[in-house]
Amino acid sequence: SQQGEEDPQALSIQEGENATMNCSYKTSINNLQWYRQNSGRGLVHLILIRSNEREKHSGRLRVTLDTSKKSSSLLITASRAADTASYFCATGRSGTYKYIFGTGTRLKVLA
Amino acid sequence: EAGVVQSPRYKIIEKKQPVAFWCNPISGHNTLYWYLQNLGQGPELLIRYENEEAVDDSQLPKDRFSAERLKGVDSTLKIQPAELGDSAVYLCASSSSQGGGYGDTQYFGPGTRLTVL
Repeated sequence: SQQGEEDPQALSIQEGENATMNCSYKTSINNLQWYRQNSGRGLVHLILIRSNEREKHSGRLRVTLDTSKKSSSLLITASRAADTASYFCATGRSGTYKYIFGTGTRLKVLA
Repeated sequence: EAGVVQSPRYKIIEKKQPVAFWCNPISGHNTLYWYLQNLGQGPELLIRYENEEAVDDSQLPKDRFSAERLKGVDSTLKIQPAELGDSAVYLCASSSSQGGGYGDTQYFGPGTRLTVL
């Protein structure tokens, strides 16, 4: 079963625009991670945010976490065609080592 | 540093045939995961190893799936017999757990795409 649900399921934007995708989850978590998956490839870790953090930055990426709303967002600024991929959130459930992945957002950046 | 290696990359078999996937994790990573990813979905955990011990195999369909991690390094995942519904991508990942496991970054291999005819 998949805990996280990404929204939107698909997103198409122009190069240079910002892309925002959201992740909602159901149970308490220790941390939340975002991964990128290019077509036909494995997943690449982007960023981890812990349950006691509210915002984190890495290059053009900004992640927020609202544990009261059980949601997280990933913002990619000044998008590039190379950002075209599927993006998944993975929640680390409290009291376990298990990560549960969401259903993903398919981002397409048009040149 | 070499990443997670998986083989084969692609496999096509007839239903009821056996199939095996191999994974070599990043050197020094003691935790290894096998995931199943259906088309358009996120990965779902099948089994997690800490060294050579399977510490979470609750999602592994044990009637047809088996896995092993001898000597706590390489791992194989086997399906016998394969069914049509097993067609998917099988991903292997590894991480370096520092005694807690919380917040471990998982490094994924490219996956094996299985097609069962």
